[in-house]
Amino acid sequence: GIQVEQSPPDLILQEGANSTLRCNFSDSVNNLQWFHQNPWGQLINLFYIPSGTKQNGRLSATTVATERYSLLYISSSQTTDSGVYFCAVFKAAGNKLTFGGGTRVLVKP
Amino acid sequence: DVKVTQSSRYLVKRTGEKVFLECVQDMDHENMFWYRQDPGLGLRLIYFSYDVKMKEKGDIPEGYSVSREKKERFSLILESASTNQTSMYLCASSFSGTGVDEQYFGPGTRLTVT
Repeated sequence: GIQVEQSPPDLILQEGANSTLRCNFSDSVNNLQWFHQNPWGQLINLFYIPSGTKQNGRLSATTVATERYSLLYISSSQTTDSGVYFCAVFKAAGNKLTFGGGTRVLVKP
Repeated sequence: DVKVTQSSRYLVKRTGEKVFLECVQDMDHENMFWYRQDPGLGLRLIYFSYDVKMKEKGDIPEGYSVSREKKERFSLILESASTNQTSMYLCASSFSGTGVDEQYFGPGTRLTVT
C-alpha cells in the first residue's frame, strides 16, 4: 500500500518562530489533507490540498503532486499551535485515507 | 459547518462486554469511517460505509462489526471487548461516494477495557 512519511517527528519552537513540516508519499494520490490534533484528541481539518498552494491565516500548505510531497508552513507560531500535525492521503484504488506518523510540535512561550 | 459527534468522550468497559460506539453526522454525507489510534501505530481504518446498510472492511476489522441503518448514523460494535481494544476511536465522514472528498472527524472516544 501507499507509504506516508512525515518529518521531522518532533519540533520545538519558540513562540514567534516559523517552521516547515514535510509529508512525502510513495504513489500518486487523489486527495491530501493536513490535520492538527489538539491535546484532547480531536483532529481539526487544516487543509484539503491534493495539489497547489492554500493559505489560512498563519498557516499555508503546498502540495507538489508530481513530486509526491506536501509542505505545511507555520508562521509566527503561538502556544496554541502545539499538538500533533498529521498528513493523510487518499488513493481511490485503495479506498481509504492513509495517515503519516505525525509531527509533534511544541511551542514554548 | 460540518459536525460529527460521538456518543461518549470517555468509556470504561469490562472484558467480555458488548460495546456500542455511536457516530452521527449532520451534513448528509454518504461516506462514514471508523478509525482507531494507538501510540506508535498511528491511525488505522477499521470499517467504512459508503451508503446505508453498506459496509466495507478496513485494515483491522477483526473483533469489530458495524451498523448503518440511517444515513447520518454509523455504529461500531465490539461484540466481546478485550483489553487489546483499549484505544482512541475516531469517526469520520465525507461527502461523495468515491471517498475522495475531504474527511471530517468527530472528537473521539477514549475506550478503556479492563
